[in-house]
Amino acid sequence: GENVEQHPSTLSVQEGDSAVIKCTYSDSASNYFPWYKQELGKRPQLIIDIRSNVGEKKDQRIAVTLNKTAKHFSLHITETQPEDSAVYFCAPGSGTYKYIFGTGTRLKVLA
Amino acid sequence: DTAVSQTPKYLVTQMGNDKSIKCEQNLGHDTMYWYKQDSKKFLKIMFSYNNKELIINETVPNRFSPKSPDKAHLNLHINSLELGDSAVYFCASSQRPSEKETQYFGPGTRLLVL
Repeated sequence: GENVEQHPSTLSVQEGDSAVIKCTYSDSASNYFPWYKQELGKRPQLIIDIRSNVGEKKDQRIAVTLNKTAKHFSLHITETQPEDSAVYFCAPGSGTYKYIFGTGTRLKVLA
Repeated sequence: DTAVSQTPKYLVTQMGNDKSIKCEQNLGHDTMYWYKQDSKKFLKIMFSYNNKELIINETVPNRFSPKSPDKAHLNLHINSLELGDSAVYFCASSQRPSEKETQYFGPGTRLLVL
């Protein structure tokens, strides 16, 4: 079956520092690479996504980079702020109706 | 304007009872899902529906029975509730995966089985 792993599982950074979360997947048919953010007690929400024909995408302080050959993609957050504290999930898709969410990364931004 | 809504928000019940969770989306999406999030925050897909038809059933016990009366609604009925069913259940919707795969989640239903 498909495997989706995230590393690290927890990450603590000082406010203003950068954070990087990596997602490794096994399904070679994957062509859609999103990151979701889930704040405490709230629903997961998409923050950025990328398709397989693009290597990198940036949106203000967040970016996603893709290495399709190595089957991993990463979330980069620069100039972290306390409101970035949340659990982050990757959920690579392959145009089917089944989504396997990654194991989650709990990010804490220390003020 | 609530895009994906679920009721109830909280559900506390005894083992052995039967309960239902309702989900509605007003985004005009064809595809709806149920996810279970356990205490460790793992999000696992349970069911996928496209245009009222069941597409994916991820080895969920048959005590769980989803029903989609129309493509804007996907309800989840659970029979004979067990302690291990305690979790947060999220409904979600998206356009067809071949078109755009962004999933929009409901606020979640926190189920506690005593």
